[in-house]
Amino acid sequence: AQKVTQAQTEISVVEKEDVTLDCVYETRDTTYYLFWYKQPPSGELVFLIRRNSFDEQNEISGRYSWNFQKSTSSFNFTITASQVVDSAVYFCALSEQGRGADGLTFGKGTHLIIQP
Amino acid sequence: NAGVTQTPKFQVLKTGQSMTLQCAQDMNHEYMSWYRQDPGMGLRLIHYSVGAGITDQGEVPNGYNVSRSTTEDFPLRLLSAAPSQTSVYFCASRPLAGAPPYEQYFGPGTRLTVT
Repeated sequence: AQKVTQAQTEISVVEKEDVTLDCVYETRDTTYYLFWYKQPPSGELVFLIRRNSFDEQNEISGRYSWNFQKSTSSFNFTITASQVVDSAVYFCALSEQGRGADGLTFGKGTHLIIQP
Repeated sequence: NAGVTQTPKFQVLKTGQSMTLQCAQDMNHEYMSWYRQDPGMGLRLIHYSVGAGITDQGEVPNGYNVSRSTTEDFPLRLLSAAPSQTSVYFCASRPLAGAPPYEQYFGPGTRLTVT
């Protein structure tokens, strides 16, 4: 069965610090997809990134970067020079190729608090 | 495009009452799903549909019914509400069921309280 673990329930940092959110996943499939979503205080879910299991290149988008390591089954998310607007709950999610129609398996989320 | 819309935004029910949460999308997506979000639990899949007339159960289907008569609409029915169904409900859709799972588009959510 697939599983996503976000061990950090809550992280609090001061603005401008760098912060890394951890995500560890379990799957038996060789083809799978990993996602990160952001849920700001307003409650909507905002898609951030999708990565497939064959693409281990790290990705950078502005202050956001993602480190995918199949060897450790991890897909970590780093925010550089954090800002108060980054305060949100962040979810990591997994979808297996063969179970694509079954939806996403989400981690429990990490609540990130950026203090001014 | 309005994307994925959900109504109502908020609802309070008494135990035993029934209601339908509405979900509609205007992106012609084949795949639609319902999740519930509980504190500290992340989102869990309730039911999903890969096209009109086809539905299936997710991780937590008990107490919920769904139907899919059109591509656009995917209502979620609570037949006899229970306090354990107090949650935030999200509807989602994505294109090309069966193809590599592109990102799902989520609705704004419905906050349901059952007293």
